[in-house]
Amino acid sequence: SQKIEQNSEALNIQEGKTATLTCNYTNYSPAYLQWYRQDPGRGPVFLLLIRENEKEKRKERLKVTFDTTLKQSLFHITASQPADSATYLCALEDTGTASKLTFGTGTRLQVTL
Amino acid sequence: NAGVTQTPKFRVLKTGQSMTLLCAQDMNHEYMYWYRQDPGMGLRLIHYSVGEGTTAKGEVPDGYNVSRLKKQNFLLGLESAAPSQTSVYFCASSPGGTAMLFRGYTFGSGTRLTVV
Repeated sequence: SQKIEQNSEALNIQEGKTATLTCNYTNYSPAYLQWYRQDPGRGPVFLLLIRENEKEKRKERLKVTFDTTLKQSLFHITASQPADSATYLCALEDTGTASKLTFGTGTRLQVTL
Repeated sequence: NAGVTQTPKFRVLKTGQSMTLLCAQDMNHEYMYWYRQDPGMGLRLIHYSVGEGTTAKGEVPDGYNVSRLKKQNFLLGLESAAPSQTSVYFCASSPGGTAMLFRGYTFGSGTRLTVV
């Protein structure tokens, strides 16, 4: 069966460090993978998209890698700040599925001073 | 501000009651989606639409119906609410096609529904 796995345990890091979140998937052939941020009581907000033929994508302090052989994406936040504390969701669109996204359960990041 | 608006934000229903959740977007997006989010389950797709007048089932469609009579609106109906439908419901929209590659989905702020 298809599965998207994100670490369900919260990730606690110190301000200024790099946070690395993992997204693993099985039985998907994704055209692309997306990352979203969700704050408590709010809807997810789109951050980055990486295509299957891209190895790495950057946006300001964010970096995403995508390894279709390992079936894994890594999401990095460099120089993390307390304002980065949120839940981060990865999402896949399976090829040919009319832009339907399937989401992982998310990893909560807590950045402390 | 442009975006996706969901109404209502909160609702408590008794088992067996019906209600309609409204989603409106002003970005001229072709695609619209309804998800539910439950603790430990993540976001699960209920129904979606790839254009005005079209709808399709997602992963968990049972107990829900939808309609997309106008491009900007996507309605989610519960005909006979059950406690298992207690959840937070999110509507999302996307332009579809290659435009999606730059903007992803835009989500509403959610409707928190409790069925007692």
